[in-house]
Amino acid sequence: GAVVSQHPSRVICKSGTSVKIECRSLDFQATTMFWYRQFPKKSLMLMATSNEGSKATYEQGVEKDKFLINHASLTLSTLTVTSAHPEDSSFYICSASSPAAFYNEQFFGPGTRLTVL
Amino acid sequence: AQRVTQPEKLLSVFKGAPVELKCNYSYSGSPELFWYVQYSRQRLQLLLRHISRESIKGFTADLNKGETSFHLKKPFAQEEDSAMYYCARGETGGGNKLTFGTGTQLKVEL
Repeated sequence: GAVVSQHPSRVICKSGTSVKIECRSLDFQATTMFWYRQFPKKSLMLMATSNEGSKATYEQGVEKDKFLINHASLTLSTLTVTSAHPEDSSFYICSASSPAAFYNEQFFGPGTRLTVL
Repeated sequence: AQRVTQPEKLLSVFKGAPVELKCNYSYSGSPELFWYVQYSRQRLQLLLRHISRESIKGFTADLNKGETSFHLKKPFAQEEDSAMYYCARGETGGGNKLTFGTGTQLKVEL
């Protein structure tokens, strides 16, 4: 149980376009979803926390107008990178949690590799 | 802000040797500490959490509040232990938010 999927797994886009990444909890209801960015050989940087039905909470330094997050249902959150630029190229990972999760456990998706040309 | 420090980027040991991956956290309140592991080409997954006092795949980690540490240990390393290990701290006050360390790449050599 507790499977989280991401789509797409890999995306290449042109500079200036927008890209949407989906995060789904497949077998549980995720009241909270998290979006991370992972740089090569570095840690996960939390970008934002998304709660179903409410606005996302962004970490300091993350542009909310650039990284739009929507958590419309208990099983789906989306991250849209607007007007993407090459510096947005990265590995984006989502995770999901629920009240039933034992003590803050987060279940991670496989990640999405974004390359902006 | 909470901080989690993993001083070693890479730890290389021989098969059968003991392993200790270091993790220190910034002190405040009652921390919730976790170890996550990422095997090659796989997603991040929970290895163990301090509250459970469990041993998973031979790994254990003891929370030392005096030293603000949560080092991960295994007496005899196996080849399949080679992976990226992240120490993480839950936010005091809940909210399910985690702060991750920079990770340690463990390489077990034959």
